[in-house]
Amino acid sequence: EVQLVESGGGVIRPGGSLRLTCAVSGFKFDDFGMGWVRQAPGKGLEWVAGINWNGAATNNADSMKGRSTISRDNAKNSLYLDMNSLRGEDTAFYHCARVLGDGDYVGYFDYWGPGALVTVSS
Amino acid sequence: QLVLTQSPSASASLGASVKLTCTLNSGHSSNTIAWHQRHPEKGPRYLMQLHYDGSHKKGDGIPDRFSGSSSGAERYLTISSLQSEDEADYYCQTWSTGRLFFGGGTKLTVL
Repeated sequence: EVQLVESGGGVIRPGGSLRLTCAVSGFKFDDFGMGWVRQAPGKGLEWVAGINWNGAATNNADSMKGRSTISRDNAKNSLYLDMNSLRGEDTAFYHCARVLGDGDYVGYFDYWGPGALVTVSS
Repeated sequence: QLVLTQSPSASASLGASVKLTCTLNSGHSSNTIAWHQRHPEKGPRYLMQLHYDGSHKKGDGIPDRFSGSSSGAERYLTISSLQSEDEADYYCQTWSTGRLFFGGGTKLTVL
């Protein structure tokens, strides 16, 4: 069974930093591109960042460019999102998701994690 | 820039059918999209990948009640024999020029 589980969420002060981790199981992790998607309170889904199967290709949404880094450790079946200079508008549930296809980070998400809540507040 | 447009809300009665629409903007009318379902307090669930010609491939365990179709720049999700658990938010998703995009979502109410 494919499973993705996020961890590392919590309450963080404005300007602070945080690392989210996505632990995956049930599939060959290094065959797939992965991504992070967030949903702020009352808002829709927003793509945050993507990474290809071996980490050589990544991209971030404009809203997080320069403030976030996506990475992965295929030996640990884990995906990461490092965020810094956090702002109130970054408050959201952050979901990791698998990209259907040939290992690229662009495509269609076919499995999702339940999400980790990040609250940016003083 | 690619834009996906969805109506904010839709409603239909228990046991009836409903057709949700996702519209691609000019220049992107042939894009394949995906449909996702989101219940409150749960992670999104992938429903299907839908191509410009209406062909679609559903995700694991998605009931036959869910189907997709296309017309020009519009992509449709039809849910038949509506059940109470179909009440959720529905999002379309695609990608272009190295970025991924979501529609604003449609909140479906089952009456």
